[in-house]
Amino acid sequence: DAGVIQSPRHEVTEMGQEVTLRCKPISGHNSLFWYRQTMMRGLELLIYFNNNVPIDDSGMPEDRFSAKMPNASFSTLKIQPSEPRDSAVYFCASTWGGKGYEQYFGPGTRLTVT
Amino acid sequence: AQSVAQPEDQVNVAEGNPLTVKCTYSVSGNPYLFWYVQYPNRGLQFLLKYITGDNLVKGSYGFEAEFNKSQTSFHLKKPSALVSDSALYFCAVSYLQGGANNLFFGTGTRLTVIP
Repeated sequence: DAGVIQSPRHEVTEMGQEVTLRCKPISGHNSLFWYRQTMMRGLELLIYFNNNVPIDDSGMPEDRFSAKMPNASFSTLKIQPSEPRDSAVYFCASTWGGKGYEQYFGPGTRLTVT
Repeated sequence: AQSVAQPEDQVNVAEGNPLTVKCTYSVSGNPYLFWYVQYPNRGLQFLLKYITGDNLVKGSYGFEAEFNKSQTSFHLKKPSALVSDSALYFCAVSYLQGGANNLFFGTGTRLTVIP
């Protein structure tokens, strides 16, 4: 079975542009997480979906960030407008049953905003 | 208050020696504890977990961890380190509070195994 799939793997964009990151969770998993990783702040949980419904978005930094999960096999994280401080590696992870279970991470999207 | 702490940013160990990566937690109730490893330019990879039962948990690649409730610790160990174990290690804790399930990751410990 394929693992968590993320696209693109690398994204370079200019400040002010819209950025959309994509994630396909492992088939059969019903929980999906978006994380951001930087040297300064470490690994941050941005948002958590369970059965396609956002359960906890307290980690979303500001209104410029939004996430959707239209179905069980696809999720997006959008940044509009992007800023240089958004530069980070964004990970998607999935599991079954929520936060109490081991998560399977995708390879990440390295975002650079110039 | 921080829910999980990894007190060492960096751990160096000689190849063949035992290694320990430390993790402590501070949550009420019964925590679920996890260890993940991250190799360069990769996502985190699950190593092992403690939910309940035997305090010594065995995981992938010869790693193990011991849950110590009195010391609120969950240190990761391996009897004989390999150069290929060099990576970033994260401890994570999940716990129920107010009916909601919380999840926190530690700040990570970079393990370097010296040949």
